[in-house]
Amino acid sequence: SQQGEEDPQALSIQEGENATMNCSYKTSINNLQWYRQNSGRGLVHLILIRSNEREKHSGRLRVTLDTSKKSSSLLITASRAADTASYFCATALPTGFQKLVFGTGTRLLVSP
Amino acid sequence: DTEVTQTPKHLVMGMTNKKSLKCEQHMGHRAMYWYKQKAKKPPELMFVYSYEKLSINESVPSRFSPECPNSSLLNLHLHALQPEDSALYLCASSQHPSGRTYEQYFGPGTRLTVT
Repeated sequence: SQQGEEDPQALSIQEGENATMNCSYKTSINNLQWYRQNSGRGLVHLILIRSNEREKHSGRLRVTLDTSKKSSSLLITASRAADTASYFCATALPTGFQKLVFGTGTRLLVSP
Repeated sequence: DTEVTQTPKHLVMGMTNKKSLKCEQHMGHRAMYWYKQKAKKPPELMFVYSYEKLSINESVPSRFSPECPNSSLLNLHLHALQPEDSALYLCASSQHPSGRTYEQYFGPGTRLTVT
């Protein structure tokens, strides 16, 4: 399976703390994307990092990519209760097909 | 408008029923997708339409039949489903220039229960 692995599977923190989740994948990629999913709802795109980029920021989000290790991390700083959700990484193959392969996901719980 | 809409929100159907899921976007995207998601699992790609033509079928059983009537609409026709097909069905869309993969915009999903 091409599916990526994410760890931890679940993460529980207090508001104001930082949350870090990691993603490992198996094949060469065109880009790697992170999505958030609130319980039972659709996914929301957070950030896209291309294979020639090493780090990217968007608001309180920081994403890193290490293509030599086939891994990425998502850091959410100063977390809020509203950040409670599942977070998925998704990899896009370099062939240009419109196909994303999603990782197993991390369930984040931020307590007030 | 960056919204993808899906109807219905919930659907309960028997194993002999025929039903359809609908998806619509008005972002001018020319790639549209169907995903299936079981509880606490990641979305699994089912179908991809590019320029209204089926480009990827991930070996989905024929009881699921996709249709793309025009560039804004995507349907998923369901027939003779099994209880294990119960899941959240997500529609998504994205831009479609060649050589790149863009972010996907997801609808809220249809929660399907097969009895």
